[in-house]
Amino acid sequence: EDQVTQSPEALRLQEGESSSLNCSYTVSGLRGLFWYRQDPGKGPEFLFTLYSAGEEKEKERLKATLTKKESFLHITAPKPEDSATYLCAVQAWNNAGNMLTFGGGTRLMVKP
Amino acid sequence: NAGVTQTPKFQVLKTGQSMTLQCAQDMNHNSMYWYRQDPGMGLRLIYYSASEGTTDKGEVPNGYNVSRLNKREFSLRLESAAPSQTSVYFCASSEAGLGYRYFGPGTRLLVL
Repeated sequence: EDQVTQSPEALRLQEGESSSLNCSYTVSGLRGLFWYRQDPGKGPEFLFTLYSAGEEKEKERLKATLTKKESFLHITAPKPEDSATYLCAVQAWNNAGNMLTFGGGTRLMVKP
Repeated sequence: NAGVTQTPKFQVLKTGQSMTLQCAQDMNHNSMYWYRQDPGMGLRLIYYSASEGTTDKGEVPNGYNVSRLNKREFSLRLESAAPSQTSVYFCASSEAGLGYRYFGPGTRLLVL
């Protein structure tokens, strides 16, 4: 069974204080790992897809990396507008219907 | 483009009542999904439709039915609502074979 665990559950940062969010996964053949951002009261918004160990993707202050067991979302010099819940999900090659398994999310709060 | 739209945004039901959640997408995607999101549980797949005319069960299908009305629309029906179905429901769509999803804004359902 595919599993995704995100840590920490919540993270408080001061504006400008860089940090990383972790997504640990177990999957029988990784097809893709996905990062989403979710603002309160809204649906998740797609950020990145990573396909193989060693791959990196960047978007503004966010950088996602992937190893064979985990992914990190690095946030450099965060701003208050980066406050949101960040979700990680995996897709395996052997599951039917293009299914994703989601983690519980990390709630990020950036104070000015 | 409106993306993925959902109605209603919020609904209160009494135990045993029925209702249908509506979802539509204007991105010409083949695949559509219904998820529920509960605190500490992450996003869980209820049903999905890989293409027009097909539907399949996800992780938590009990108590729900779906209809893929056409390529644009995918509805979720609760025949006899239970308090355990209190949740936030998200509809999503994707290109066939691609892992990332476009999510709607969600429907908040409270069953008393």
